[in-house]
Amino acid sequence: DIVMTQSPDSLAVSLGERATIDCKSSQSVLYTSNKKNYLAWYQQKPGQPPKVLIYWASTRESGVPDRFSGSGSGTDFTLTISSLQAEDVAVYYCQQYYSSPLTFGGGTKVEIK
Amino acid sequence: QLQLVQSGAEVKKPGASVKVSCKASGYSFTGYHMYWVRQAPGQGLECMGWINPNSGATKHPQRFQGRVTMTRDTSMSTVYMELSNLTSDDTAIYFCARVKRAVNPDGWFDPWGQGTLVTVSS
Repeated sequence: DIVMTQSPDSLAVSLGERATIDCKSSQSVLYTSNKKNYLAWYQQKPGQPPKVLIYWASTRESGVPDRFSGSGSGTDFTLTISSLQAEDVAVYYCQQYYSSPLTFGGGTKVEIK
Repeated sequence: QLQLVQSGAEVKKPGASVKVSCKASGYSFTGYHMYWVRQAPGQGLECMGWINPNSGATKHPQRFQGRVTMTRDTSMSTVYMELSNLTSDDTAIYFCARVKRAVNPDGWFDPWGQGTLVTVSS
């Protein structure tokens, strides 16, 4: 199984400041034939199911604010919130869909400083 | 409107089984694989496997082998997940989640059901 490791476990950021979350996979999730990274990012608020933000490592889902961006390739990925808003307080998860079983990172809790 | 609606919360005793349903609407039910994902209290997300609503084929991780059964009723656009021989470690919120990409079992999930809390307690 591919193990997804996120860091940090939690972070506190001031409103309007940048938040950065890292995700590392135990093996590459880059499919060389199509040059796509099989990685997604989700946001989960309390009492709600996760909501997809990013797929193919850097493609923003329709309706997701452009302050959210994804980057990286192979085994190392980053989710960046460029200017943290109050409504961004949540837990964020990365997920690989390169191989079965699909696996998630352990989550990163983002709070307001 | 694209939607997955799950059945209500359950309380079960150790050793019992639980069956959770997930009714889909707003899209072609047989065109997309459906996963079950669970989340223990205060913990992360764990995939329990998928069902192909068209063929009924299923696949799940080894750790759930022999304990999880996924079925579907195409006439009701509903998938079911039954978990047997429950222990306290199975206490969790269980989500159904549709793979966004048609036909393909590997992908990101959208939408998700609202979740069903299953509590295992003597």
